[in-house]
Amino acid sequence: AQTVTQSQPEMSVQEAETVTLSCTYDTSESDYYLFWYKQPPSRQMILVIRQEAYKQQNATENRFSVNFQKAAKSFSLKISDSQLGDAAMYFCAYRSTGHSGNTPLVFGKGTRLSVIA
Amino acid sequence: EAQVTQNPRYLITVTGKKLTVTCSQNMNHEYMSWYRQDPGLGLRQIYYSMNVEVTDKGDVPEGYKVSRKEKRNFPLILESPSPNQTSLYFCASSLVRQSYEQYFGPGTRLTVT
Repeated sequence: AQTVTQSQPEMSVQEAETVTLSCTYDTSESDYYLFWYKQPPSRQMILVIRQEAYKQQNATENRFSVNFQKAAKSFSLKISDSQLGDAAMYFCAYRSTGHSGNTPLVFGKGTRLSVIA
Repeated sequence: EAQVTQNPRYLITVTGKKLTVTCSQNMNHEYMSWYRQDPGLGLRQIYYSMNVEVTDKGDVPEGYKVSRKEKRNFPLILESPSPNQTSLYFCASSLVRQSYEQYFGPGTRLTVT
């Protein structure tokens, strides 16, 4: 079974600075998807960024980018120019590409990010 | 607007009183799933459905039931709720093929006293 580990329960960053959230995962599969979800106080799960394992190029979405190291099974999230609205719980998640059967999202335990004005 | 809706958003109930949390999606997705979120544990899958009348257990199915009589709806049923089912519940849906993205509902905060 796949597992996802987020080793930083809490992080803080100064406004306008850059912060990196860590995520490692364990799988025997070669093809899969990885995600970062943001959960603000509203509790809504918001997709921040996704990465297909077969793509070598790291995904970017505006101020958010990932460092995907497939061999090391590492998937960190970098937030540049941090804003107060970035304060939230961030979840790293894994999903198999299985074309049949159950393909749940497997989540890490989350990292709570605080942004200091 | 493409969305997943859940009702109710908040519910406080007592031990043993049957309840249903509804989930509906308007994207014609085959795959639907329920997760529960608990502090320090992240989200864990309760049940899932690959299509109408096709449901199966996830990682933490004890104390829950589901049904999938229509493609758009996937209710979560707690026949006899207990305090350890106090949690935040999310419904999610996606396509089966090329289904890398799951769309989440807004969540239901359930408290069982």
